[in-house]
Amino acid sequence: DQQVKQNSPSLSVQEGRISILNCDYTNSMFDYFLWYKKYPAEGPTFLISISSIKDKNEDGRFTVFLNKSAKHLSLHIVPSQPGDSAVYFCAARAYNQGGKLIFGQGTELSVKP
Amino acid sequence: NAGVTQTPKFQVLKTGQSMTLQCAQDMNHEYMSWYRQDPGMGLRLIHYSVGAGITDQGEVPNGYNVSRSTTEDFPLRLLSAAPSQTSVYFCASSYSVDRPNYGYTFGSGTRLTVV
Repeated sequence: DQQVKQNSPSLSVQEGRISILNCDYTNSMFDYFLWYKKYPAEGPTFLISISSIKDKNEDGRFTVFLNKSAKHLSLHIVPSQPGDSAVYFCAARAYNQGGKLIFGQGTELSVKP
Repeated sequence: NAGVTQTPKFQVLKTGQSMTLQCAQDMNHEYMSWYRQDPGMGLRLIHYSVGAGITDQGEVPNGYNVSRSTTEDFPLRLLSAAPSQTSVYFCASSYSVDRPNYGYTFGSGTRLTVV
């Protein structure tokens, strides 16, 4: 049972345009959601997070939106840059499960010059 | 400040062999965990620890053992390797499970092939 799902394996965007990466979840006990970025042959790096009591969090070019009623979150990157090309993982934490993070399958973003 | 250090970076094992993947962090983090990454499956949690002497199972614990005798180290043991354990393994740590908004720090990974 996949509690966190990223249904788009890949996304291609033109440089300067907006990239929107989506994530759906099923567990209503999740209280924090995080996005990670991963380059080949490296470990994932933390990008941005959002608490379940908020609906938006912004950090520079990155904004995460949370729609609790739809159990959906999205990561917006504006403007997209070629260096943003990587695999993006959505992750969620359930407060009653010892702090462990559950990850989605990942979406590979390609930003073309 | 090294962060999270994983060794080895690459390993080839024969079916039935045993080995230990090492993970060490120098950030005094309470929380440590092991994930495996497989194509189309994302990152799946194997085992985790909320502090020295405390470990628990994640989503895919079968075939793996862990222990946490110190705050710094969290080794992952494969007792009898199987081809299904071919994967990339990541160790991650966090200051506290009470501060998830700070994110988890990952090591650079161990690529394991079981033949």
